[in-house]
Amino acid sequence: DGGITQSPKYLFRKEGQNVTLSCEQNLNHDAMYWYRQDPGQGLRLIYYSQIVNDFQKGDIAEGYSVSREKKESFPLTVTSAQKNPTAFYLCASRQTSPGHRTGELFFGEGSRLTVL
Amino acid sequence: GDSVTQMEGPVTLSEEAFLTINCTYTATGYPSLFWYVQYPGEGLQLLLKATKADDKGSNKGFEATYRKETTSFHLEKGSVQVSDSAVYFCALSGDRFGNEKLTFGTGTRLTIIP
Repeated sequence: DGGITQSPKYLFRKEGQNVTLSCEQNLNHDAMYWYRQDPGQGLRLIYYSQIVNDFQKGDIAEGYSVSREKKESFPLTVTSAQKNPTAFYLCASRQTSPGHRTGELFFGEGSRLTVL
Repeated sequence: GDSVTQMEGPVTLSEEAFLTINCTYTATGYPSLFWYVQYPGEGLQLLLKATKADDKGSNKGFEATYRKETTSFHLEKGSVQVSDSAVYFCALSGDRFGNEKLTFGTGTRLTIIP
């Protein structure tokens, strides 16, 4: 079955450590996204990538980094510069090539990061 | 910039009650509109969508109509069930081809009691 796989589902980190969240999709989608979800604040866009080897900052990119070396993979690194990293992180993808412009985002099941 | 304003929650209803969750938007151009649902501990799933004015999206008994004149996309269901308890997000995509990032509302938590 096609879908998006995020790992790990739960992650604990000590202050000052960098951590990387994995996101893999086998939907052959061009675009991939990382959102952060906090209670009462909805989803906020961290980074997105429309094509391999290219990505753009979203609304809250500070303290995060990404790479897009392969179409299927879009890992997110939460660096020690992120002041308040405890949150639920969601990866998503969608098709944007001609003939498939539905606009629908497909989401992974999320990764919950807790800083101790 | 684009924005979505949703009815604040939480919303608590009895089973078989009528549901409305309000959503209004601000956007330039011709956005597509979406409702997503999030069950506890999971990611978001698309519930329904509409890509142009006067379109009605529907799924699982839920409906929403794209109203350009009132810039609204209210979610409705005639008779809710306990299994509908979840968080609902309204969202818009900057153009009708979905080539831009989605903008989400803050979400509305819905609880249905038996």
